[in-house]
Amino acid sequence: DIQMTQSPSTLSASVGDRVTITCRASQSISSWLAWYQQKPGKAPKVLIYKASSLESGVPSRFSGSGSGTEFTLTISSLQPDDFATYYCQQYNSYPRTFGQGTKVEIK
Amino acid sequence: EMQLVESGGGLVQPGGSLRLSCAASGFTFSNYGMNWVRQAPGKGLEWVSYISSSSSTIYYADSVKGRFTISRDNTKNSLYLQMNSLRAEDTAVYYCARDIGVEFDPWGQGTLVTVSS
Repeated sequence: DIQMTQSPSTLSASVGDRVTITCRASQSISSWLAWYQQKPGKAPKVLIYKASSLESGVPSRFSGSGSGTEFTLTISSLQPDDFATYYCQQYNSYPRTFGQGTKVEIK
Repeated sequence: EMQLVESGGGLVQPGGSLRLSCAASGFTFSNYGMNWVRQAPGKGLEWVSYISSSSSTIYYADSVKGRFTISRDNTKNSLYLQMNSLRAEDTAVYYCARDIGVEFDPWGQGTLVTVSS
């Protein structure tokens, strides 16, 4: 199974900050990676697919990059609505493993 | 509007069984693979199972293999998860999600399964 490791687990930031979350795969997954945002009590919502493609309707302050085993999710200017937990997920093979999550908190 | 609505969750004793359902609307259900994903209280997301559009391909997480069975009825636009031999560690919110090959979208609102005596 492919293991997905996110860092950091928790991130404290202020509105307007540039935020970067890293996701590492235990083996190459090409660009088969998605990023999700989840708020308390809600289902996850997709932000990025194929590592760097922005889902329709998602603000352009979100961007994704990387390939192979190293990926990043960047929020260019953190907004109040962005405080949430973010997960990466690999699509290279089953099981479709998720990272453990990164909680973005208000500093 | 695409929508997935889960049902069937509840409180069950260890060793018991439960059947979850997921009703789909707003898209051609029979064209897509579907997944179950769970989230234990305060924990991260765990993929549980996948079924292809025609039910010809099925996968399970090791943690549920041999105890859970995924199925679908394309005539009823419905996905199911039969859960047997339930354990305390199966306590979670269970989500169904459409698989479009590069992402899971949409997701249902989730249904809570609590395994406790």
